[in-house]
Amino acid sequence: EVQLLESGGGLVQPGGSLRLSCVVSGFTFSNYAMSWVRQAPGKGLEWVSGISGSGDYTEYTDSVKGRFTISRDNSKNTLFMQMNGLRVEDTAQYYCVKGSTVTAAGTFCHHWGQGTVVTVSS
Amino acid sequence: DIVMTQSPDSLAVSLGERATINCKSSQSLLYNSNNKNYLAWYQQKPGQPPKLLIYWASTRESGVPDRFSGSGSGTDFTLTISSLQAEDVAVYHCQQYYGSPPHTFGQGTKVEIK
Repeated sequence: EVQLLESGGGLVQPGGSLRLSCVVSGFTFSNYAMSWVRQAPGKGLEWVSGISGSGDYTEYTDSVKGRFTISRDNSKNTLFMQMNGLRVEDTAQYYCVKGSTVTAAGTFCHHWGQGTVVTVSS
Repeated sequence: DIVMTQSPDSLAVSLGERATINCKSSQSLLYNSNNKNYLAWYQQKPGQPPKLLIYWASTRESGVPDRFSGSGSGTDFTLTISSLQAEDVAVYHCQQYYGSPPHTFGQGTKVEIK
């Protein structure tokens, strides 16, 4: 059974930093691209960032470029998102998502974690 | 970036009746070399993460009831629930995954019981 368990969310002031983690099990982690998708309160889904199975390809939505960094440790079955320069508009539930392919291109969201909440407020 | 637009934003359907949700993309999601449409549908029930329903525009994920079906090609797609059940109350999202990211979502459609 595929399992994705996020952690690292919390309350942070504008300009602050957080590091999200997602520990996975039930599949060969390095064989699949992974993504972070967020959902602001009462809003729709927003794809934030993706990484290939090997970790050599990463991409970001424009609003987080230069502030967020996605990475993975295939030896520890863990996905990360380092979030710096956080803004009020980054407040959302952040979901760890397993892709359907090893490449970040052409991959749909096959499995979702339960999410972790990030709140940016003074 | 590809813009995804769903319609309607919400709809109320009687139990046992058909529910139809539309999703339009700002550019074609059909990749000619494999004749596949890079479009997925997700169901999100209150307080839960989204769940994959359909991919390649019309392929049902394992375990998804056959009352859910996807259709369309190019830029226009439809999710149909043939006979609405109480457990189908949810928000439904479409997503394009054509080429490299960002793989954008529609704004979501809320389905309720009339």
